[in-house]
Amino acid sequence: NAGVTQTPKFQVLKTGQSMTLQCAQDMNHNSMYWYRQDPGMGLRLIYYSASEGTTDKGEVPNGYNVSRLNKREFSLRLESAAPSQTSVYFCASSDTRREGDEQFFGPGTRLTVL
Amino acid sequence: AQTVTQSQPEMSVQEAETVTLSCTYDTSESDYYLFWYKQPPSRQMILVIRQEAYKQQNATENRFSVNFQKAAKSFSLKISDSQLGDAAMYFCASDSGGGADGLTFGKGTHLIIQP
Repeated sequence: NAGVTQTPKFQVLKTGQSMTLQCAQDMNHNSMYWYRQDPGMGLRLIYYSASEGTTDKGEVPNGYNVSRLNKREFSLRLESAAPSQTSVYFCASSDTRREGDEQFFGPGTRLTVL
Repeated sequence: AQTVTQSQPEMSVQEAETVTLSCTYDTSESDYYLFWYKQPPSRQMILVIRQEAYKQQNATENRFSVNFQKAAKSFSLKISDSQLGDAAMYFCASDSGGGADGLTFGKGTHLIIQP
C-alpha cells in the first residue's frame, strides 16, 4: 500500500497563476482532508470531504477550491495564487466510520508563491 | 469551535531522560478524541498516541504515555528513556468525536534530544 500520495512535492508559482494539488489514498477511507502548515503554526484545516460526493469548508478556505473526484482522490485548487498561500500543504485521510481512527498524512507539498 | 494550546515552543532533554510535553484544549463536545502526532525533519506526520475522552485510563504506547485530566482539559505527553530518534516537532490535536470534520492542532513543541 502506498498510503496517501501527493503531487507535486514542490512547486513555485507566480502571483495570479493557478494550480491543482493532487491527492490519492489507497486505504479505502471515506474521509479526506486538506491542511496547510505555516512556520510556527500547527496544521490548519482548509477543506474536508466526509464522504464521496461531499465537501465542506474548514478553518481557512478562502482562495481555495476542492474536488472529491471519487473515493480515492481529493484535489485542491488555487485559482489565483497569492504570496499568502506560500505554505506546506498536507492531504490526509481517515476511516471515520470507526470513531477515533487516526488520520494518515501524505508527505506534503511545499508551495512558494512569488 | 475547538482550540488546542501548546505553551512550550521548544523543549530540550538529555538522551535516556524523561520529558513531558504540555497541551491544553477547549471543546464543547462531550465525546472527542485527543492525539499526539510527531513530525520529524522529513515532514511526515506520524501518530504517536491517542486518547478517547470517555476512557479514564491513560493511554500508553511503549515509551510514550499521556496524562489526561478531563476536568482540567489537559493532555500531556510523557516520553521515557528519550532517544535521538525522538527529536521532532510534536503536535497535540483534537477532534469532535466523529472526526469527519478534521482535527484541530496546537502550534507544536520542538523537542531537542541532547546526546
